[in-house]
Amino acid sequence: EIVLTQSPGTLSLSPGERATLSCRASQSLSNTYLAWYQQTPGQAPRLLIYGASSRATGIPDRFSGSGSGTDFTLTISRLEPEDFAVYYCQHYGNSRTLTFGQGTKVEIK
Amino acid sequence: QVHLVQSGTEVKRPGASVKLSCKASGYSLTRYYMHFVRQAPGQGLEWMGIINPSGGSTTYAKKFQGRVIMTRDTSTSTVYFELRNLRSEDTAVYYCAREATGLYFDYWGQGTLVTVSS
Repeated sequence: EIVLTQSPGTLSLSPGERATLSCRASQSLSNTYLAWYQQTPGQAPRLLIYGASSRATGIPDRFSGSGSGTDFTLTISRLEPEDFAVYYCQHYGNSRTLTFGQGTKVEIK
Repeated sequence: QVHLVQSGTEVKRPGASVKLSCKASGYSLTRYYMHFVRQAPGQGLEWMGIINPSGGSTTYAKKFQGRVIMTRDTSTSTVYFELRNLRSEDTAVYYCAREATGLYFDYWGQGTLVTVSS
C-alpha cells in the first residue's frame, strides 16, 4: 500500500509570500493519479490540481503542481487571504483504492 | 449544474448501524463512480470505498471491509452508505465524492456528521 507523507505539517507565512508544500510517496507513482485539494474549516475539500500539474476549472494560476516519481510539490506563488487552509495530496492506486496524505496547514504568520 | 446532497446529522449508540444517502443531480448517476471519504474531528481525510453506480460493484478499504456497505438506487440517483457496528472512533463527517474520469474527485457532497456516543 502506498503511503503519502506531506511536509511540513504546518507552514506559517504572510500574505504575498510563496508557499511550497511537499508530498512524498512511499513508491513511485504515475503522475496521472496525483491530485491536490484545499480544505477550509467547515467545508468539503476542493480540487486544485489533478494529474500532478493540471489546474482544475476555476483555480487561479497562482496555484501550480509539479513533480514525478515519489516527490510532488504544490506551490502557491503569492498567498492571498483565502489561501490559508489545509492542503491534501491524493493518489489513486491499483484496484481502485485511494490514499490521502495527512495534510499541510498553511497558517497566517 | 452538478450537486451532491447528503442526508442530515446522525447520532448513534456504539454497536448500532448508520445509513447515509447522497443524492446526485445535474448529471447521470451511472456515468461516474462515487466514493465515500470520512474526516474525524480535527483529523485528515480517510478513504472508505467506491461504488460503480452503473453495475453496483464496490471496493472497500481493507480497514472497513465487513462493516461497510455501499448501494445505489438509480431510479432516484441516490447512493447509500451503511456502516455497521459503530464505535466511538467512527465519529466523523462522511463525504460522498464523485470521481472524475481522471481519477480524482471533482464534486463533493456537503458532508454528514455522524456522532457515536453512549
